[in-house]
Amino acid sequence: GAVVSQHPSWVICKSGTSVKIECRSLDFQATTMFWYRQFPKQSLMLMATSNEGSKATYEQGVEKDKFLINHASLTLSTLTVTSAHPEDSSFYICSARSGGSHTGELFFGEGSRLTVL
Amino acid sequence: KQEVTQIPAALSVPEGENLVLNCSFTDSAIYNLQWFRQDPGKGLTSLLLIQSSQREQTSGRLNASLDKSSGRSTLYIAASQPGDSATYLCAVVAAGNKLTFGGGTRVLVKP
Repeated sequence: GAVVSQHPSWVICKSGTSVKIECRSLDFQATTMFWYRQFPKQSLMLMATSNEGSKATYEQGVEKDKFLINHASLTLSTLTVTSAHPEDSSFYICSARSGGSHTGELFFGEGSRLTVL
Repeated sequence: KQEVTQIPAALSVPEGENLVLNCSFTDSAIYNLQWFRQDPGKGLTSLLLIQSSQREQTSGRLNASLDKSSGRSTLYIAASQPGDSATYLCAVVAAGNKLTFGGGTRVLVKP
């Protein structure tokens, strides 16, 4: 299947710093990518939909100024957690859809575990 | 608002038994349904994708059925192996291109 790569796989940072997570579709182009957050033993929560060349669409309750999303090319989307605090510690996962906008199969990155001290 | 429920939340079976995982969704107006596997601390691996016009999909020991009218999908895993131990998630895509996940079923296959 298609491959989605996430980097870094884990990061530890001090409170107040910003952290950038990259999501790349390695063997297909993705006009749309999705960012999720997952707390321990819980399911994935959609944070935002990243659209190539336009602004991201954020889910209700997600602060767009805190979680900056940039989708500059058809193979790369980035999530920047700005001024991170301990409550931002979580597992962040991205996904991208190959094929059609509604019918294409979704592929996920390996996730990025963020720990804010 | 679409809601996806997975029952049971956890399942433990001896090796060799067949696994039956259930997924239900409240809004039948979906484009497709996808089953994923997640190992601890890892991302999601796509198992099967069923389009709304399809009734089932098969891949090796895995078979997934879809009954859109009743809002249900079932994932069958034949002859379970310890390596099948993981969390299995179902998700549906509906209007607005949004993917809604179920809470997952944690499976433990005992050798």
